[in-house]
Amino acid sequence: AQSVAQPEDQVNVAEGNPLTVKCTYSVSGNPYLFWYVQYPNRGLQFLLKYITGDNLVKGSYGFEAEFNKSQTSFHLKKPSALVSDSALYFCAVRDMTGDYKLSFGAGTTVTVRA
Amino acid sequence: KAGVTQTPRYLIKTRGQQVTLSCSPISGHRSVSWYQQTPGQGLQFLFEYFSETQRNKGNFPGRFSGRQFSNSRSEMNVSTLELGDSALYLCASSLSWTGTYEQYFGPGTRLTVT
Repeated sequence: AQSVAQPEDQVNVAEGNPLTVKCTYSVSGNPYLFWYVQYPNRGLQFLLKYITGDNLVKGSYGFEAEFNKSQTSFHLKKPSALVSDSALYFCAVRDMTGDYKLSFGAGTTVTVRA
Repeated sequence: KAGVTQTPRYLIKTRGQQVTLSCSPISGHRSVSWYQQTPGQGLQFLFEYFSETQRNKGNFPGRFSGRQFSNSRSEMNVSTLELGDSALYLCASSLSWTGTYEQYFGPGTRLTVT
């Protein structure tokens, strides 16, 4: 069965500083990896995904993520954080050799201070 | 294109009652998934439907059920409500259930069981 770990419950950064949200995964086959963001009282919004190809994936709102197969990681990054990036971030994985279920991490709350 | 819509947005029910939640996917999307979100358990997968067939199911008791109609709209039903069923129920749609497609989430239905 697949699983996702987001080791940090909270990440705090100053506006303008780089932002990194960590994610590691475990699957028996090839992973399809996703990042979603949830703003207060809203549903989740898709940010980016890794299916195959280039390990560096670019997504919405200036976010990018790097797939690292040897470390089974898919960390989300943004070079210069904005106060409006404050939200709850979820990493998710589908195991493409299994039942295709989408498993989510516990989420990381990002707070960007002005 | 209209997003995923969920009705109702808020619901208050009493223990022992049953409830039906509705989800209309993005036009053209044939896969609908349901999730339960709580502060303690995070995002838990309930089930996924594609072409009126349940493709995947999470680890929830049989009190939780769902269905999908020929127009891809979906409903989920919870019978004999318990206090622990209080949660945000999220519906997500995608083009297909097989992996590469990202999911688009609705705003959720906030269910409170008293």
